[in-house]
Amino acid sequence: DTGVSQNPRHKITKRGQNVTFRCDPISEHNRLYWYRQTLGQGPEFLTYFQNEAQLEKSRLLSDRFSAERPKGSFSTLEIQRTEQGDSAMYLCASGGRDANYGYTFGSGTRLTVV
Amino acid sequence: AQSVAQPEDQVNVAEGNPLTVKCTYSVSGNPYLFWYVQYPNRGLQFLLKYITGDNLVKGSYGFEAEFNKSQTSFHLKKPSALVSDSALYFCAVSWGGGGNKLTFGTGTQLKVEL
Repeated sequence: DTGVSQNPRHKITKRGQNVTFRCDPISEHNRLYWYRQTLGQGPEFLTYFQNEAQLEKSRLLSDRFSAERPKGSFSTLEIQRTEQGDSAMYLCASGGRDANYGYTFGSGTRLTVV
Repeated sequence: AQSVAQPEDQVNVAEGNPLTVKCTYSVSGNPYLFWYVQYPNRGLQFLLKYITGDNLVKGSYGFEAEFNKSQTSFHLKKPSALVSDSALYFCAVSWGGGGNKLTFGTGTQLKVEL
């Protein structure tokens, strides 16, 4: 069990560019979550997958955002036409069948849009 | 809808003294309550959870939390603070449904001084 891995750790991009982040969950976990955390705030829910199915998306997830989890393993979060307001820490978490009991977060990807 | 309030942006305590970080919640149904800690530029690290059972929950690194249903509170406590406990602490709640997504408070910065 190597924990939840996120890549890259940091990303600086120019406004208008597309970016993609990757999350590798704990291998036996079937649930995967994406959260966004801005400075001075707690993490906010973006979306979650159960296996390969994306079951819920927050209203925070505009049409510029898309998340996938092919084959129910790793997940990617893509942001198209980035804006300065997208600058944040993007956190991934995974959980098992008993996700009621909490889940494990990765170290996050910090995005800076300049 | 579910929500969490952490009324204190910052808590200062001397090393060796007891500490309390406050949290109140609002949720429909039975709450699932969590505390996470975040160190600079890192993801969230799980401390403890309340699902059911004893109101006093013990977690990692000597932390504990007391669930109080009548006051809808879940305050984090430690009998003797360490300088290394200095970090950002988040309280979170879910109601067990809706994919178990967590709603976080805005966080409380704990500063333990010598």
